[in-house]
Amino acid sequence: AQSVTQLDSQVPVFEEAPVELRCNYSSSVSVYLFWYVQYPNQGLQLLLKYLSGSTLVKGINGFEAEFNKSQTSFHLRKPSVHISDTAEYFCAVSDGSARQLTFGSGTQLTVLP
Amino acid sequence: KAGVTQTPRYLIKTRGQQVTLSCSPISGHRSVSWYQQTPGQGLQFLFEYFSETQRNKGNFPGRFSGRQFSNSRSEMNVSTLELGDSALYLCASSLAKQSPEEKLFFGSGTQLSVL
Repeated sequence: AQSVTQLDSQVPVFEEAPVELRCNYSSSVSVYLFWYVQYPNQGLQLLLKYLSGSTLVKGINGFEAEFNKSQTSFHLRKPSVHISDTAEYFCAVSDGSARQLTFGSGTQLTVLP
Repeated sequence: KAGVTQTPRYLIKTRGQQVTLSCSPISGHRSVSWYQQTPGQGLQFLFEYFSETQRNKGNFPGRFSGRQFSNSRSEMNVSTLELGDSALYLCASSLAKQSPEEKLFFGSGTQLSVL
């Protein structure tokens, strides 16, 4: 069985400041890891994913994440946030099928002016 | 290219009724997955359909069912509605390449309120 823990439910940050959204996972098998973003009244959009290879993954909108197997973490980072980054962010894990994902509870990122 | 279309956008039902939600995938996509999103439980996988067959199922009671048509459009049905079924129901489509590299495209969801 897999599970995902997003340690922070709310993260407020000022515009142009850096941000890190934390995600830890547990799984008994090899995993694939994803970050999705959900803007108000919209569906989810894939930010980035880790399948294999380089542990530093770059995604859209300037986001990146680092896979750390020893710490079972996949934290999301952005060096300078914008007001438009305000949204809910979900970390997800899959053991093979990208269609059957186990999601974390989400982190609401609020960028303040 | 049109995205994933879910109808209706909003729905209000009363306890005991049944409801049918519709999802039209992106043209050429053959897999449709359904997720339930609630404030308490977060996002949970309901089921996935491919070529009119349910391929995977999450941990939901039998009141939740679905089907897929030959044009890949999918419907999900919830019978004997309970208050706890109030949620945003999201549909996602993909090419179904049997690879973790495939990308899921989500619709905007149907917001179901059970009174």
